[in-house]
Amino acid sequence: AQSVTQPDIHITVSEGASLELRCNYSYGATPYLFWYVQSPGQGLQLLLKYFSGDTLVQGIKGFEAEFKRSQSSFNLRKPSVHWSDAAEYFCAVGRMNRDDKIIFGKGTRLHILP
Amino acid sequence: NAGVTQTPKFQVLKTGQSMTLQCAQDMNHNSMYWYRQDPGMGLRLIYYSASEGTTDKGEVPNGYNVSRLNKREFSLRLESAAPSQTSVYFCASTKIGVGNTEAFFGQGTRLTVV
Repeated sequence: AQSVTQPDIHITVSEGASLELRCNYSYGATPYLFWYVQSPGQGLQLLLKYFSGDTLVQGIKGFEAEFKRSQSSFNLRKPSVHWSDAAEYFCAVGRMNRDDKIIFGKGTRLHILP
Repeated sequence: NAGVTQTPKFQVLKTGQSMTLQCAQDMNHNSMYWYRQDPGMGLRLIYYSASEGTTDKGEVPNGYNVSRLNKREFSLRLESAAPSQTSVYFCASTKIGVGNTEAFFGQGTRLTVV
């Protein structure tokens, strides 16, 4: 069965510091992978997605993620965080075939220190 | 282009009452989903519908029913609400397309069962 693990429930970084949020997945086939962000009281916004090809994908707001098949990981990175990046981040896996479904991790809440 | 629209945005129910959460998308997407979001639990899939006329259980279907009324609409029904169903509910939709797929989310319904 497919599953997503985000090992860090909370992460705190200083503004301007680099960021890496971890995501590990379990899936029987080549997955589609996603990172979503949710600001307080808001819906979910797609940051980036991986389907195939280049394993380093660029997203919005300066985020990027790297797919590592050997490690079953899809970690999210940003070189320099801004206070506005404080939010909850969700990794998700699916394949979007006709009968497939999207499964989300439990999320990582990012706190930014001024 | 409204995207995914959920109604209502807020609802308070008494234990044992019933209600239906409505969701509609105007993007001609095939697949639709219902998730619930609880603190520390991420988004958990309740039910999904890969196409009009089909529905499948997700991770936490007990206490819920769904109807895929047509391609646009996917409703979630609580027949006898329980306090454990207090949550934020999100509807989402996706189109099926190799390399060009993402899930679009509604703004959520905050449900409180007292």
